[in-house]
Amino acid sequence: GESVGLHLPTLSVQEGDNSIINCAYSNSASDYFIWYKQESGKGPQFIIDIRSNMDKRQGQRVTVLLNKTVKHLSLQIAATQPGDSAVYFCAESLQGAQKLVFGQGTRLTINP
Amino acid sequence: NAGVTQTPKFQVLKTGQSMTLQCAQDMNHNSMYWYRQDPGMGLRLIYYSASEGTTDKGEVPNGYNVSRLNKREFSLRLESAAPSQTSVYFCASSSRVSNTEAFFGQGTRLTVV
Repeated sequence: GESVGLHLPTLSVQEGDNSIINCAYSNSASDYFIWYKQESGKGPQFIIDIRSNMDKRQGQRVTVLLNKTVKHLSLQIAATQPGDSAVYFCAESLQGAQKLVFGQGTRLTINP
Repeated sequence: NAGVTQTPKFQVLKTGQSMTLQCAQDMNHNSMYWYRQDPGMGLRLIYYSASEGTTDKGEVPNGYNVSRLNKREFSLRLESAAPSQTSVYFCASSSRVSNTEAFFGQGTRLTVV
């Protein structure tokens, strides 16, 4: 069945350090894997996605890595800033189904 | 730009009462979604609508109904509210071209007592 989960529920890093948030998925048929950021009291916000035929994609200060062999997805945030403090969700999409399935989330805290 | 607008923002219901959560988007998106988010949990898909005139069940549809009134609006109805439906409800929309980038509303915090 469809299932997206996360390894760690909380992560604390020092401001300026790099952070890595991990995610495991189970549906090999998913076309895209996506990362969302949710700040307190707000709806989730799209960060970056990666197609299933890719293994790496870079954005501004963020990199997503996809390892289909072990069904693992990660989000790397470079030089973390206080504004990066949020809950990060991975999600997967099956294009034909036009729907997104979300994982549990990881709370990232940036320490000054 | 308003994006995705949900009403109301907060609601308290008694068990057995009914209500409709409203959602509208102004981005001309084809797909719309309703999710619920419980404390410490991810978002679970209740229903979605891939295009005007179509609706499909998600992971947790029991106890809910939806209406895709037109391309802009997608409502979620609780016919007989139960305490287990206490949650934060999010509406979202996405274009057909890139349904990975969904735009979310601010959420409706619903408490059923």
